[in-house]
Amino acid sequence: LAKTTQPISMDSYEGQEVNITCSHNNIATNDYITWYQQFPSQGPRFIIQGYKTKVTNEVASLFIPADRKSSTLSLPRVSLSDTAVYYCLVDTGRRALTFGSGTRLQVQP
Amino acid sequence: GAVVSQHPSRVICKSGTSVKIECRSLDFQATTMFWYRQFPKQSLMLMATSNEGSKATYEQGVEKDKFLINHASLTLSTLTVTSAHPEDSSFYICSASGGYQETQYFGPGTRLLVL
Repeated sequence: LAKTTQPISMDSYEGQEVNITCSHNNIATNDYITWYQQFPSQGPRFIIQGYKTKVTNEVASLFIPADRKSSTLSLPRVSLSDTAVYYCLVDTGRRALTFGSGTRLQVQP
Repeated sequence: GAVVSQHPSRVICKSGTSVKIECRSLDFQATTMFWYRQFPKQSLMLMATSNEGSKATYEQGVEKDKFLINHASLTLSTLTVTSAHPEDSSFYICSASGGYQETQYFGPGTRLLVL
């Protein structure tokens, strides 16, 4: 399973754009990149998934360069409620996910 | 769509008793479900992979006789913690794969406290 590396923590202020980068140097051809958000005492919530280039939905954008060895989750205009742990994972689906330590985002007023 | 539920959300039990946790995919069929455990301030750790109609596959170090998994239908998997001990106290989370890309969707988790 491809291993991912992401910053342990990040701080931001309300209204700012937050970009969290994840490295996955050993990503396989069939792997997709998926980001989850987790609040304390809750299960991870699916945010966005992509294979290459750029994907955007109502809550975030995902940027994936051509070599796919990294990806960046972009959260536009964060609010206090975006304070959470964000996990980057790569998988082909139907396989169990290997969670890293995630990035703990703290949004300040 | 892609909603996964868990029941109960919290449970407190006495040491030595058994506890059953249910995981349901509400709006899609899931041939594969996964069970994770998460201790405070730590990441999720996979316990086992549950396949509909067959035996579960357990991760190294997870006792299959202690953590019984049953996946009797395409929408339901159960985890039974048998003879629970205080060290089994944790946050148990299930997930189910669904959709075209088999994206995993997670349940809300079950907080288990063994006294």
